[in-house]
Formats: sequence, structure tokens, C-alpha cells
Amino acid sequence: DAMVIQNPRYQVTQFGKPVTLSCSQTLNHNVMYWYQQKSSQAPKLLFHYYDKDFNNEADTPDNFQSRRPNTSFCFLDIRSPGLGDAAMYLCATSRGNRGNTEAFFGQGTRLTVV
Amino acid sequence: GESVGLHLPTLSVQEGDNSIINCAYSNSASDYFIWYKQESGKGPQFIIDIRSNMDKRQGQRVTVLLNKTVKHLSLQIAATQPGDSAVYFCAERDAGNNRKLIWGLGTSLAVNP
Repeated sequence: DAMVIQNPRYQVTQFGKPVTLSCSQTLNHNVMYWYQQKSSQAPKLLFHYYDKDFNNEADTPDNFQSRRPNTSFCFLDIRSPGLGDAAMYLCATSRGNRGNTEAFFGQGTRLTVV
Repeated sequence: GESVGLHLPTLSVQEGDNSIINCAYSNSASDYFIWYKQESGKGPQFIIDIRSNMDKRQGQRVTVLLNKTVKHLSLQIAATQPGDSAVYFCAERDAGNNRKLIWGLGTSLAVNP
């Protein structure tokens, strides 16, 4: 059973047109993450939520925003997508306790900007 | 479109052979490490983890070795199968923020039948 679900799997958007990617989880984890991954590179953390607390990475562009309306759902909003924002976007969750930081990933959304 | 990516290190092995994938980590204070497997077009999948109070941990067909002296981590896959073909990433827990992971560059494993 899928535990971290991302929709859609593939998204095509126009240059400059706002787009929202969705993530839901059935694990009841405290932490939800959004990563950007480009070809042949490691995932790059954009931001994460610990419960309702939003934690932005210092180098994440303002063009990227996130919302977490409840424990189960988290959204990635790209306000004005540019060609350089084409990538795989990965959502992940973790318990957030000190014991382990194992992150569970969704299958990703492949974003194409035209 | 996407910018041109880096060329990942590639390990090519024959089916049935053992594979060893290496990773150097950055922070001697790191206390928790994970190996992920990422197949093409999919999200990373947890393989095995190890805490810094251990130097070896075994799973099903996989073994992780940790050498804290030289800050080195390795993943050994026994009897490598075509389904093991993927990119493998090591990650260390950020010593300054235990909710974050610091990722290695990744190694592409190609299994030849």
C-alpha cells in the first residue's frame, strides 16, 4: 500500500503559470519534506514542515512556497515556473524523533515547463 | 528544459557477482546513516541504515559497513541481480538538525546479465 502519495505523477505547465503539486501520507508522520531532484543529481531539500512549523532552506527561491493544511497533506506551489524549474519533485515524510531520521518517499512528480 | 546533469559514478557488475558501493561522509559528528536505492523515474527507497555505535549491519543480501576513522560508508550487495540496477545514495543525518539528511552524490549500478 502506498504510504506517501504524490499527484500527479507527471505535470506539464506553461512558463510563468502557477502550478501546485500535491502530497499525502498515511503514516501520520510529523515531518513532511519537499525535495527537488534534477537529472543525475541527489535530491535537494527545498523546505520541510515539522507539524505546522515551516522550515525553509536558505537557498530555496521565493518562487517556491508550501502549505500544510493538516497532518496528511502538503502542497508545493511554484508561483512562476521557469525553464530551470523543470525537475522531479519528491515529497517525503519522517517521524521527526531523534531515534531515526529515515525518510519515506513518494514516487515523485515530474514537472515539465514549456 | 532541465540543465545538463552531472555524470554519476558508475559501477558495472555481472549478474551474480557481489557489488560494493562506497561513500565518504563529511561530518565526524554524524550519528546516523542511510542507504537509498532509486530506480529510474521513481522516488528513493530505503535499503538499510546504521547508527554510529555500530560498524556493520546486515539485511537481506545487503550489508552496510561504517568506518568512522576515515568517515567512510559502504554498501555491499551479495549476488547482484538485474533488479538491483539503480542509483544508490548514501545520506547522513545532519548533526545540527536531526530532521535533515545530507546526501552523497550517488552511484549508478548497472548489472549485466
